Amino acid sequence: GAVVSQHPSRVICKSGTSVKIECRSLDFQATTMFWYRQFPKQSLMLMATSNEGSKATYEQGVEKDKFLINHASLTLSTLTVTSAHPEDSSFYICSASGWATTSYEQYFGPGTRLTVT
Amino acid sequence: AQTVTQSQPEMSVQEAETVTLSCTYDTSESDYYLFWYKQPPSRQMILVIRQEAYKQQNATENRFSVNFQKAAKSFSLKISDSQLGDAAMYFCAYIEDSNYQLIWGAGTKLIIKP
Repeated sequence: GAVVSQHPSRVICKSGTSVKIECRSLDFQATTMFWYRQFPKQSLMLMATSNEGSKATYEQGVEKDKFLINHASLTLSTLTVTSAHPEDSSFYICSASGWATTSYEQYFGPGTRLTVT
Repeated sequence: AQTVTQSQPEMSVQEAETVTLSCTYDTSESDYYLFWYKQPPSRQMILVIRQEAYKQQNATENRFSVNFQKAAKSFSLKISDSQLGDAAMYFCAYIEDSNYQLIWGAGTKLIIKP
């Protein structure tokens, strides 16, 4: 149980375009979803936290107009990177937690590798 | 502010041997949870083991066990009978009872020598 999927797993886009990444909880209701960014050989950096039906809370230094997060249902959150630039290239990971999960444990998606050319 | 420190950027161990990864944390809270996550080359984060701070007994999951020292704020992971599939980045993480956000350590790269 507690499976989280992410789509796409890899995406290449041109500079200036927007790209959307989906995060789905497949077998539980995700009341809270988290979006992380991971640079090579580094730990996870929290970008934002979103509760279903509410606006996302962004971490300091994360541009909310650039990284649009929507958590419209208990099973889906999306991250849209708007007007992407090469410096946005990274590995993006989502995680989810909900009433059915234990001890505030977060369940992680497999990640999305974004390359902006 | 809460912090998690992993002082070993890289560790190596011979296959079938035992290795211990260290983790210390800083908090003034009494209710919290600690985790060890594994991130193999596929980059999928996998929960290895979880410890509730209110439990005195150390958590164990098959070949994985922790040494939880609450007073010392230490949470080390012991991997027994190391296997090639254990090679990965290991991250220690902390979460408060009142806050959903995970605080991450920098990670330890574990190399298994055949």
